[in-house]
Order: sequence, then structure tokens, then C-alpha cells
Amino acid sequence: GAGVSQSPSNKVTEKGKDVELRCDPISGHTALYWYRQRLGQGLEFLIYFQGNSAPDKSGLPSDRFSAERTGESVSTLTIQRTQQEDSAVYLCASSSQGFTNEKLFFGSGTQLSVL
Amino acid sequence: DQQVKQNSPSLSVQEGRISILNCDYTNSMFDYFLWYKKYPAEGPTFLISISSIKDKNEDGRFTVFLNKSAKHLSLHIVPSQPGDSAVYFCARGAGNMLTFGGGTRLMVKP
Repeated sequence: GAGVSQSPSNKVTEKGKDVELRCDPISGHTALYWYRQRLGQGLEFLIYFQGNSAPDKSGLPSDRFSAERTGESVSTLTIQRTQQEDSAVYLCASSSQGFTNEKLFFGSGTQLSVL
Repeated sequence: DQQVKQNSPSLSVQEGRISILNCDYTNSMFDYFLWYKKYPAEGPTFLISISSIKDKNEDGRFTVFLNKSAKHLSLHIVPSQPGDSAVYFCARGAGNMLTFGGGTRLMVKP
């Protein structure tokens, strides 16, 4: 498709398990972003990729969170030893070059529920 | 500190009337401000933006005003339509990052 695709759309997991979330950005977009939205809250920045490099990892909440991007395309966000406070919608977005004034195109998100 | 705040979590407006959504920010570097709209179970979509060198930008029913002295941003929707009911996020762009406010849920009643 032409938009940003995220999978799975929903993920229910048990506390302590690892999860992997996938994002397929718009083809040709060099910039890719991960955000998180907890229930009733705003969008929280997690990490930003320019190509396959992540110059800004400042938003990752803890060392249980990691992300990678390969082929300047697909990105995966991994959460190890999930906790209940990790429950949120995880949103991926991409933009053409990563300039401040560019629109971000968001996927529909992955709803993560940690029981 | 680069906070972006939306102090009203919700707003209810009658169809046909004006909706005014507000946003406050800290710092005063050269920035870019954007508004995104989010429907349930969908990702946010871009609505309108404004550069900090301007004080107004208009696109159809949507107008964004920037008051730099007050560090205040507002989105006006007129006339409001039921399909405008959504959560609206203001965002501030600096460097390569967008910082979002907490969102305001707009409900437009028929």
C-alpha cells in the first residue's frame, strides 16, 4: 500500500514476555519515527531514524526498549520483559527527509496490552 | 524545556459554530508548528502548519494563529462539522523532532 503499515494491529501479552512491533514506512521516506500514546495522554516521542541510523534515542523509556531499521525501510521496536506500564498504542510515522517542516505520515498503530 | 501544552482536554461545539483549539509552548527558537487530527483506531493525520515567521495560515475552514509574544497557538475551525469530531494535537517542530501536546477532544454536535 501507499501508506505507513504497522503490524500487528493488536498485541496482548503477559508481563515479562518480549514483544516485537513492526513498521513499514512509505517507500522512499528516509526518516522514520516511533511514538507512544498511553491511554488519555498525548504522543510521546520514542526514537527517530534517519536512514538506518538513530541519531536520537533520547525518548526510549528504559533499556528494555530497543529499535532498529534495516535497508532504510522496515523498522522493528522491541520491548523486552514487558511491564503493565508499557501498555499503549505504539505509532510509527515516516517523512520524506526528516526536516522539521515536513508532514509526518502515521500508521494506524499497534495497540499493546500487557496483562 | 520544549514543552507543548494543550490545557483543554475536551471541547464541545454546536455544528455550524466556530471551534477554537488552543496550545501553549515554551522556548522561542525558530520553530515550526503543526496541527494533527486523530480519529479512533487511526493514526494522526496532518491538518495545517505554520512557520514561526508568520502569524496566520489559512486553509479552507481551518486557520492557525500564532502569537509569538504570548507563545500561544490556536486552531480555528469554522464552520464546524460533525465530521470534525476527533482529537486534535498541536505539535512543535525543532531539529528533526516533533513534540506533541496532550491533545484536545473536539465534539461537534449536530
